[in-house]
Order: sequence, then structure tokens, then C-alpha cells
Amino acid sequence: AQSVAQPEDQVNVAEGNPLTVKCTYSVSGNPYLFWYVQYPNRGLQFLLKYITGDNLVKGSYGFEAEFNKSQTSFHLKKPSALVSDSALYFCAVRDPSGGYQKVTFGTGTKLQVIP
Amino acid sequence: DTGVSQNPRHKITKRGQNVTFRCDPISEHNRLYWYRQTLGQGPEFLTYFQNEAQLEKSRLLSDRFSAERPKGSFSTLEIQRTEQGDSAMYLCASSLRAATTEQYFGPGTRLTVT
Repeated sequence: AQSVAQPEDQVNVAEGNPLTVKCTYSVSGNPYLFWYVQYPNRGLQFLLKYITGDNLVKGSYGFEAEFNKSQTSFHLKKPSALVSDSALYFCAVRDPSGGYQKVTFGTGTKLQVIP
Repeated sequence: DTGVSQNPRHKITKRGQNVTFRCDPISEHNRLYWYRQTLGQGPEFLTYFQNEAQLEKSRLLSDRFSAERPKGSFSTLEIQRTEQGDSAMYLCASSLRAATTEQYFGPGTRLTVT
């Protein structure tokens, strides 16, 4: 079975400060990992993904994430937060070893960037 | 590319009624997914199509739920004999064939069962 955990319901950060949104996962094989963002009254938007290769992946809007296999983590980061980054962020995992296409999402972390 | 569209955006129905939602994926995407999202939760997988074939179904998808993608293009999700517990946001997503590709989500249909 595959699962993903986002331990923080909400993260508050001052504008201009670095931000981190945490995600840990559990799969039996090598994971495919994704981050999505959801703005109010809008659908989820893809930010970035890790499939293989370099552990640091870069995505949209200046976001990046670091894959850490030993800690089974895939934390989302941004060097300098903007007020417009305030949204709901979801981590997701797919375990391709099971042959399934199901993607499992975390419960989400609300990011609040304070001006 | 106009993105994934879903209709209606909102649906209010009385308990026991049937409802049907429609999803139009991005035209070149052959994979289509349905999810359900309730307040404070992430999207929960319901079912998945590759072209017109329904290849996976969640145990969440009770007998009252049925999904179709008759020509491998748009998809419908029907809920029969709705219950108050069915109230949620129903999300549709599409993607290209490879398992490594990301999904593109529609805006969702918010169902309220009274």
C-alpha cells in the first residue's frame, strides 16, 4: 500500500522568508512523487515531480523539492515566500511497482504568507 | 488546449435523487481520473480510465456510483440514490499515457445533498 503524510495542517511564514512544507511517504518500491497547489475556488495545479535522477527538483513559481530516500521525505521549499503563495498544498505519491495508476494524496497543508 | 472542464460546477439535490456529472479532459490525454474531496482532506481516488476502458476502481466507489467514458473522450460520473454523505467536491483529472506524467485537474463539481 502507498501512503503520504503531511504533518502540518498549516504553515505560517513572513513574506520574503524561506518556506518549507513537509511531506513523508510510504511505498514498497521506488516512488513517483508530486506536489500540487490549490487556490480557493480553483482546481489543483501541478507544481513539480520527482521520478528519478537528481534529488533536487525545480518546478513552477520558484518552488523546489528535495527527495530524500533514507528519510522517505519530499519537502517542498521556496527561498523567498510571496503573499501570492498563500494556498493549500498537496503532496502525492504513486508506487509504480504495484502496476496501479492510483495516486494517493496527502491531507494538505495550508500555507499562509504574512505581509 | 482549454484545460479540463467539469459540469455542472455546483449541484444541489435532495436525498434519494440521482445526479450525473460530466468531465471533458484535455483532448490529447487518454487517461482520465475521478476523485472525491471533502473539507480538510486531500483528493481520494475513485476510478481511472485509459481511453474507454475503466481499469481501476476504488473500494470507495459503491454500487451506487458508476462512471463511463464511452468514446474515450468525455466521462460521466453518476450517483444513484444520493445520500448526505455523498456531499463533496468531485474532481476530474486527465493525463498523458506515461505513469510518470502529472495530472491536470478540472475545477470540480460541488455536490450538496439535502
